[in-house]
Amino acid sequence: QKEVEQDPGPLSVPEGAIVSLNCTYSNSAFQYFMWYRQYSRKGPELLMYTYSSGNKEDGRFTAQVDKSSKYISLFIRDSQPSDSATYLCAMRWSGNTPLVFGKGTRLSVIA
Amino acid sequence: KAGVTQTPRYLIKTRGQQVTLSCSPISGHRSVSWYQQTPGQGLQFLFEYFSETQRNKGNFPGRFSGRQFSNSRSEMNVSTLELGDSALYLCASSLLGGAPTDTQYFGPGTRLTVL
Repeated sequence: QKEVEQDPGPLSVPEGAIVSLNCTYSNSAFQYFMWYRQYSRKGPELLMYTYSSGNKEDGRFTAQVDKSSKYISLFIRDSQPSDSATYLCAMRWSGNTPLVFGKGTRLSVIA
Repeated sequence: KAGVTQTPRYLIKTRGQQVTLSCSPISGHRSVSWYQQTPGQGLQFLFEYFSETQRNKGNFPGRFSGRQFSNSRSEMNVSTLELGDSALYLCASSLLGGAPTDTQYFGPGTRLTVL
């Protein structure tokens, strides 16, 4: 079993839909959780960062962490065609430990 | 501020050859990490350098090596290339790499194809 599991999709939604992206993990030592967005032919860029359990909101994006279930989510409200990309979850044990990534979910938002 | 740059962007090699990839971090960033991205395995951590010292290492064979120079620029080398080494190699830089909130900024990657 991989440390971080993420459904690869592809996920296709109409413009304006609410998108839910999820990851599960096996190592309870993970404390820091991130979501990256990767456009085609580009490197990943950090979207959201959360520490421990709870919610964090930034514009149309909300990140949720449930450490008891070892489950993290990213919600995108009012999705736009420009949100079409691969979304990668990532996590780490502490500040100077490597990031462990999920395989990414490919999202297409259809106008 | 210029972003992370990687050269070359595309590379084609044959089995058994070796290859060197280069990464220039964002000015002022001292930590450089390397990742391999493939459709099957996703993004996997190779190694991290900070102040010319390897600080972390992933689970890759010794054919994969790297170094960092005093100006924080980094190179990674893969010797005796195998078909399975075909991948996108990503470099990421961060200010210090030691704080949880220290964001990693990724370059566009080098696409390596091994024939």
